Amino acid sequence: EAQVTQNPRYLITVTGKKLTVTCSQNMNHEYMSWYRQDPGLGLRQIYYSMNVEVTDKGDVPEGYKVSRKEKRNFPLILESPSPNQTSLYFCASTRTSGGGELFFGEGSRLTVL
Amino acid sequence: KNQVEQSPQSLIILEGKNCTLQCNYTVSPFSNLRWYKQDTGRGPVSLTIMTFSENTKSNGRYTATLDADTKQSSLHITASQLSDSASYICVVSVNTGFQKLVFGTGTRLLVSP
Repeated sequence: EAQVTQNPRYLITVTGKKLTVTCSQNMNHEYMSWYRQDPGLGLRQIYYSMNVEVTDKGDVPEGYKVSRKEKRNFPLILESPSPNQTSLYFCASTRTSGGGELFFGEGSRLTVL
Repeated sequence: KNQVEQSPQSLIILEGKNCTLQCNYTVSPFSNLRWYKQDTGRGPVSLTIMTFSENTKSNGRYTATLDADTKQSSLHITASQLSDSASYICVVSVNTGFQKLVFGTGTRLLVSP
């Protein structure tokens, strides 16, 4: 089954404790992206990657890092989480960076105390 | 500034009734317009993708229209079902050579028995 898998789905952590949210897709997609969703603001792009070892900032990259060492994986790293990073996070992928249907993961709800 | 505005913010309808959701955008240059359905706590799922030359597209009981001249789109849901209760997100793709998406904040639809 074609899917984008995120882990963990739910996480409560404390300020400053590094964490990683993993994302994996099994569709051999080139393009992957991370979004955060907050009430009243819609989805906002954090980082994206057009292929292995090619990543770039989205609209709200502050406080986040990513890496793309393999085509299928695109982890999101919070080096020193802060309460304003409490949000619902989505990973997404699509075949190429030029367009096409975007497939989303199920989401990771993060709470930073 | 690229923007996507959706109306209404929320809507309650009776099961079996029809409804129409609106999306206005100020995005340039335009590439395509997508409608996504997002169940509570889940990732968005694509309903339709329309390019500049398409003015209507259907997916079962969902019919999307696009007027590229007035920069408006609508999503019409026919014979609503309880499972249609969800948020509906309008997303416009900017033609920058790669996938730059501008997200609306969504319309939350509740179908009541």
